[in-house]
Amino acid sequence: GAGVSQSPSNKVTEKGKDVELRCDPISGHTALYWYRQSLGQGLEFLIYFQGNSAPDKSGLPSDRFSAERTGGSVSTLTIQRTQQEDSAVYLCASSALAGGADTQYFGPGTRLTVL
Amino acid sequence: SQKIEQNSEALNIQEGKTATLTCNYTNYSPAYLQWYRQDPGRGPVFLLLIRENEKEKRKERLKVTFDTTLKQSLFHITASQPADSATYLCALENNAGNMLTFGGGTRLMVKP
Repeated sequence: GAGVSQSPSNKVTEKGKDVELRCDPISGHTALYWYRQSLGQGLEFLIYFQGNSAPDKSGLPSDRFSAERTGGSVSTLTIQRTQQEDSAVYLCASSALAGGADTQYFGPGTRLTVL
Repeated sequence: SQKIEQNSEALNIQEGKTATLTCNYTNYSPAYLQWYRQDPGRGPVFLLLIRENEKEKRKERLKVTFDTTLKQSLFHITASQPADSATYLCALENNAGNMLTFGGGTRLMVKP
């Protein structure tokens, strides 16, 4: 079956522009996560959606970052007024359930470059 | 503060040897611990999950141990192959029990 997909795979933008990154999770998965990974670094948690509950936004680095999950499926991560330090790979993952007992399935990521 | 520590230096080993990677944590009480593999330019891929009441879990050439007293997990790859070269991430259930927190990963290089 289809895995987690993300688009675009690469995005180059100019400093100050807004960008939208899209994630299509595995059908039926209730939990969706966004992470950021800088070159050679680990995963930095950004935001987590679980079913119809309010999202856990505790990892968002600034108010320039926001995310939505429409209809419990597709999610969009928006970065406003991008800065060079936002350059990284943005990874989305989904899992059937929430919590540490469930496997997270990752998409291929979106590589964002802010010039 | 909460920490998950994996050796940030790459581990270089010879093909055929056993690779052992370490994951240490502080101020967590995870009921579950997972290991993932990440290849360059790709998202992490799940390998193994171990529960707090399991001391050891095996899958083919992989073995994971989980010592809740030492607050440590060891990840072993026996008879390593160059194709095992990748970054390996451990992930713990957070204290709220609602998601995983990932370590920084250790890069493994298996030389032929």
